[in-house]
Amino acid sequence: RKEVEQDPGPFNVPEGATVAFNCTYSNSASQSFFWYRQDCRKEPKLLMSVYSSGNEDGRFTAQLNRASQYISLLIRDSKLSDSATYLCSNNAGNMLTFGGGTRLMVKP
Amino acid sequence: NAGVTQTPKFQVLKTGQSMTLQCAQDMNHNSMYWYRQDPGMGLRLIYYSASEGTTDKGEVPNGYNVSRLNKREFSLRLESAAPSQTSVYFCASIGQGVMGRAYNEQFFGPGTRLTVL
Repeated sequence: RKEVEQDPGPFNVPEGATVAFNCTYSNSASQSFFWYRQDCRKEPKLLMSVYSSGNEDGRFTAQLNRASQYISLLIRDSKLSDSATYLCSNNAGNMLTFGGGTRLMVKP
Repeated sequence: NAGVTQTPKFQVLKTGQSMTLQCAQDMNHNSMYWYRQDPGMGLRLIYYSASEGTTDKGEVPNGYNVSRLNKREFSLRLESAAPSQTSVYFCASIGQGVMGRAYNEQFFGPGTRLTVL
């Protein structure tokens, strides 16, 4: 079993829709969690960190469920520009492990 | 402040050739990483260096060597390239998150696209 797993998608949604991704992790020693956005042929860029209490940044909300060992990302009012691959990551000690990414395609 | 830089951006090698991918960061980060990314496989950790003078294997180290030359630079070497090493290689470093939070945000370089024929 991979240490961090994501549904690869693609998730095809219309503009304005709400979409949610989950990411499960197996290392219970994981200390911090992140969502990254990756555009085609570009490097991943941090979208948001995921805090234990959950956090929101504009249209994006991230949640952590330690008991079930998953993190989630909710995108409200999807824009065409949200089309990208979303990678989740966790950090245990100095090791950062990434999921395979979930592809989102927002259509007009 | 250039962040994380990588050279070269593109490279084509023949099987058996060697090359070194260079990575440098100017953010005074202690930890640096090398990943490869293949379609459908996500980012896989090759090697990392938690601090200057130390290196450790990641998930897929075979066929690679690394050198942490100093705090800024972390290079990845392919001694005898194979077609299976065709991939996009990303270097990354870790620093404090924004607002001084103690969450380790990872910054990536732009990547090196390597093709081995």
